[in-house]
Amino acid sequence: TQLLEQSPQFLSIQEGENLTVYCNSSSVFSSLQWYRQEPGEGPVLLVTVVTGGEVKKLKRLTFQFGDARKDSSLHITAAQPGDTGLYLCAGDTPRDDKIIFGKGTRLHILP
Amino acid sequence: KAGVTQTPRYLIKTRGQQVTLSCSPISGHRSVSWYQQTPGQGLQFLFEYFSETQRNKGNFPGRFSGRQFSNSRSEMNVSTLELGDSALYLCASSPAGGSSYNEQFFGPGTRLTVL
Repeated sequence: TQLLEQSPQFLSIQEGENLTVYCNSSSVFSSLQWYRQEPGEGPVLLVTVVTGGEVKKLKRLTFQFGDARKDSSLHITAAQPGDTGLYLCAGDTPRDDKIIFGKGTRLHILP
Repeated sequence: KAGVTQTPRYLIKTRGQQVTLSCSPISGHRSVSWYQQTPGQGLQFLFEYFSETQRNKGNFPGRFSGRQFSNSRSEMNVSTLELGDSALYLCASSPAGGSSYNEQFFGPGTRLTVL
């Protein structure tokens, strides 16, 4: 069974600080997505990474796909209260053609 | 363009009952996927429908079933409800579905509580 493990599970930091959250697996993924989910809403796609070693930037958010396509990281620079939410990674398994989600990192930015 | 809508938003049932949840995808999207989200297990894939056919299925018991209509609207049904079925049920639509290459758009979910 392929698993995506996210760490940390919870993170509470002050506004203006930098942070990195991780998404790891022993399996290779065709592609990997990052979502953010806010209370009372469904997840919203932030980015899809496809190529090993790929780096994508979305304003203050930097996403990286591991060279072996087994892991990914999300780095937030100068976190703001609006970044608060549940960050989910999801991988596409070529064998099953299914999308597997990690359990998420719950991020809280204190003003 | 209207987003994915799910009805009802909240539902309270008792053990042994059955429930039907509804999802209307974004206009033009043919793929609808269903997920169960719980604090302990996170988001787990239930099934995906594409053009009225179940294209993929997760590891859930047969009490969980679904269908898709010709207008791409989808329903999922859970029979003989158990306490552990309490969860947020999310529906996601995409133009083609099937992989993470295709962006999925999620609805707000239906919060099911089983007493």
